[in-house]
Amino acid sequence: EVHLVESGGVVVQPGGSLRLSCAASGFSFDDYAMHWLRQAPGKGLEWVSLISWDGGSTYYTDSVKGRFTISRDNSKNSLYLQMHSLRPEDAALYYCAKDKRSGSHYGAFDYWGQGTLVTVSS
Amino acid sequence: DIQMTQSPSSLSASVGDRVTITCRASQSITDFFNWYQQKPGKAPKLLIYAASSLQSGVPSRFSGSGSGTDFTLTINSLQPEDFATYYCQQSYSIPLTFGGGTKVEIK
Repeated sequence: EVHLVESGGVVVQPGGSLRLSCAASGFSFDDYAMHWLRQAPGKGLEWVSLISWDGGSTYYTDSVKGRFTISRDNSKNSLYLQMHSLRPEDAALYYCAKDKRSGSHYGAFDYWGQGTLVTVSS
Repeated sequence: DIQMTQSPSSLSASVGDRVTITCRASQSITDFFNWYQQKPGKAPKLLIYAASSLQSGVPSRFSGSGSGTDFTLTINSLQPEDFATYYCQQSYSIPLTFGGGTKVEIK
């Protein structure tokens, strides 16, 4: 059974940094692209970032480019999101999600974690 | 960026009703299109991928159709557990984008 468990969400001041982690199990982690998505309280879903199965390609939504870095450690079945220069508008529940297709990404999310909450406040 | 416009933003329906939700893309996305269901306090769940393919384990009362720019999610014989918010999403190009959601409430 596929399991994705996020961690690392805390209260951080504007301008601060944070590293989110996602521990994966139940599937061949190094066969799949992985994603980070977020959902602000009471709002809709927003895709944040994608990393290819081998970590060689990464993509970001414009609002986080230059501030967030996605990475993965296939030896540890783990996904990460390093977040810098955090803004109030980055406050959200952050989800990691598995891509639907093995190999090159398809861009649909067939398994999600339960999310980790990032609060940006002074 | 490709904009996804869902309608309606909310609807009220009764158990047993047939419900239709539509989504329009700002440009053609062929069939790189997906539907999700989200219940309060839970992560979203993939229902339909590639516009019309039912995700494993999803009841057959859910169906998807469309291609190009216009897509539809149909729920036949709405069940109590189907009251939720539904999101459409395009997987045609980066950035991957979602519609604003449709909240299905009990009439």
